[in-house]
Amino acid sequence: DIQMTQSPSSLSASVGDRVTITCQASQDISNYLNWYQQKPGKAPKLLIYDASNLETGVPSRFSGSGSGTDFTFTISSLQPEDIATYYCQQYDNLPQLTFGGGTKVEIK
Amino acid sequence: EVQLVQSGAEVKKPGESLKISCKGSGYSFTSYWIGWVRQMPGKGLEWMGIIYPGDSDTRYSPSFQGQVTISADKSISTAYLQWSSLKASDTAMYYCARSPTDWYFDLWGRGTLVTVSS
Repeated sequence: DIQMTQSPSSLSASVGDRVTITCQASQDISNYLNWYQQKPGKAPKLLIYDASNLETGVPSRFSGSGSGTDFTFTISSLQPEDIATYYCQQYDNLPQLTFGGGTKVEIK
Repeated sequence: EVQLVQSGAEVKKPGESLKISCKGSGYSFTSYWIGWVRQMPGKGLEWMGIIYPGDSDTRYSPSFQGQVTISADKSISTAYLQWSSLKASDTAMYYCARSPTDWYFDLWGRGTLVTVSS
């Protein structure tokens, strides 16, 4: 089974700060890594697919990078509406889609 | 409008059966996979399984194999998640989500809250 290690589990940052979240796979998953945002009481929303592709309609302050086992998700300038929990998800190995444990982002 | 509409919240007793639904509209239902994702109270996302309504090809997470059944009726653009005997530990929010063949979920339902309590 592929394990996904997401860090940190939570962070607090100021509006305008650059925020970085990492996700590490237990084995090579190429670029098969996606990122989601989940606001409290809401369904998740796709932000980034295939490691670095921005989903249509998603603000450009969100970005993703990486390949193989190490991936990074970045918010270039944190906004109040970005308060949410963010999840990575791998899909290299069906039937084993795996989500990371999540990162809760709060405003300092 | 492209959307997935899930059935309403359920309150059940341990041992009861349940089938919840997810109806797609505004797109070709048979051209995308539909996955199910569990979120237990205060916890993260867990992928349960996925079905291709076009031919009913179904894959399960090993963690949920044998615990639930995923099905679809393409004639009414609806996917289902069912339990034959619920446990208290099945209490959770269940989301359905659409996936193209690249296995990311680009469209989500609002979720169905299932509460199992005696």
